[in-house]
Amino acid sequence: GAVVSQHPSWVICKSGTSVKIECRSLDFQATTMFWYRQFPKQSLMLMATSNEGSKATYEQGVEKDKFLINHASLTLSTLTVTSAHPEDSSFYICSARMDSSSPLHFGNGTRLTVT
Amino acid sequence: AQTVTQSQPEMSVQEAETVTLSCTYDTSESNYYLFWYKQPPSRQMILVIRQEAYKQQNATENRFSVNFQKAAKSFSLKISDSQLGDTAMYFCARYSGGGADGLTFGKGTHLIIQP
Repeated sequence: GAVVSQHPSWVICKSGTSVKIECRSLDFQATTMFWYRQFPKQSLMLMATSNEGSKATYEQGVEKDKFLINHASLTLSTLTVTSAHPEDSSFYICSARMDSSSPLHFGNGTRLTVT
Repeated sequence: AQTVTQSQPEMSVQEAETVTLSCTYDTSESNYYLFWYKQPPSRQMILVIRQEAYKQQNATENRFSVNFQKAAKSFSLKISDSQLGDTAMYFCARYSGGGADGLTFGKGTHLIIQP
């Protein structure tokens, strides 16, 4: 149980275009989802917290207009990287949990390369 | 900022040996949760073990156990009878239950199991 599906697993896009990444909780309802970013050989850095039906909460230094997050339902959150630039190239991982006392379950991540 | 510190960037042991990964953290909360996650080369985040701060008993999951010292804010992971498949990045993480905050991760320890 507690499976989180993230799609796509990897994507290459041209500079200036937008890319959407989906995160789905397959067998549970996730009131809260989280988006992380991981650079090579580094730890995961929280970008934003996504709550179903409300605006996402962004961490300091994360541009909300560049990284659009939509938590449309209890099983789906999307991250859209708008006007992507090469420095946005990274590994993006979503996670979800059922409630505040549950552990986080992670998607398999998306490797984004902006050329 | 409330931090999680892993002081060992890399460790290497022989197969079947026991290894301990260290983690210290900072928090002002009385109730919180601690986790160890494993990230193999596939980059999938895998939950290894979790510990609720209000529980005095150390968590155990098969070959994995923790030494939780609440007063010292220390949360080390012991891997017994290490196996080649244990080779991975290991991240210590903390979050405070009841809120919508995501996990705070340490920088990670790269564990290498030698044959």
